Amino acid sequence: DTGVSQNPRHKITKRGQNVTFRCDPISEHNRLYWYRQTLGQGPEFLTYFQNEAQLEKSRLLSDRFSAERPKGSFSTLEIQRTEQGDSAMYLCASSRGSSQPQHFGDGTRLSIL
Amino acid sequence: AQTVTQSQPEMSVQEAETVTLSCTYDTSESNYYLFWYKQPPSRQMILVIRQEAYKQQNATENRFSVNFQKAAKSFSLKISDSQLGDTAMYFCASVLNFGNEKLTFGTGTRLTIIP
Repeated sequence: DTGVSQNPRHKITKRGQNVTFRCDPISEHNRLYWYRQTLGQGPEFLTYFQNEAQLEKSRLLSDRFSAERPKGSFSTLEIQRTEQGDSAMYLCASSRGSSQPQHFGDGTRLSIL
Repeated sequence: AQTVTQSQPEMSVQEAETVTLSCTYDTSESNYYLFWYKQPPSRQMILVIRQEAYKQQNATENRFSVNFQKAAKSFSLKISDSQLGDTAMYFCASVLNFGNEKLTFGTGTRLTIIP
């Protein structure tokens, strides 16, 4: 069990640019989740996958956000035309199945200049 | 919809003392799970303890235990013999047993253990 891995750890970009984050879940976990955490708040759910299928998307996930999990392994989260309000920590988690504990990665901290 | 409320933004306690963090939640469902997660400064979120709503017995994990009051929709975390390494943000969270997979988090309690 090598844990959930997220890259990059930090991303600084100018407003309007596109960014992509990657998450590698624990190998035997078929569920993968994305959350966003702003300063002083708890994480908020964005979307989740069961294998390669994206099963739920939060209303927080605007049209500028897209997530994929090709082949049911790693996942990417892309934000297009970044805005100041996108500055946050983006957390990825994975689990073995329904209602199993979710294991989190270290997160990717996004800063928009 | 589920909501989770943590009414203590910050707490501090002397090392070796016992501290209790409060959490209340609201759900119309009968099958759900409750969790406490710990997030040390600049480090990843770690699961501390998990409680199934259908179990009456309170979960325990070493120095960590919960007081689960289903009727009152209360789920507090007790940390006994607190250690410096317990300093962290603590988040209470819930998830439904079937269907909806997302964790709903509270706003967190920042716990500081004083040497």
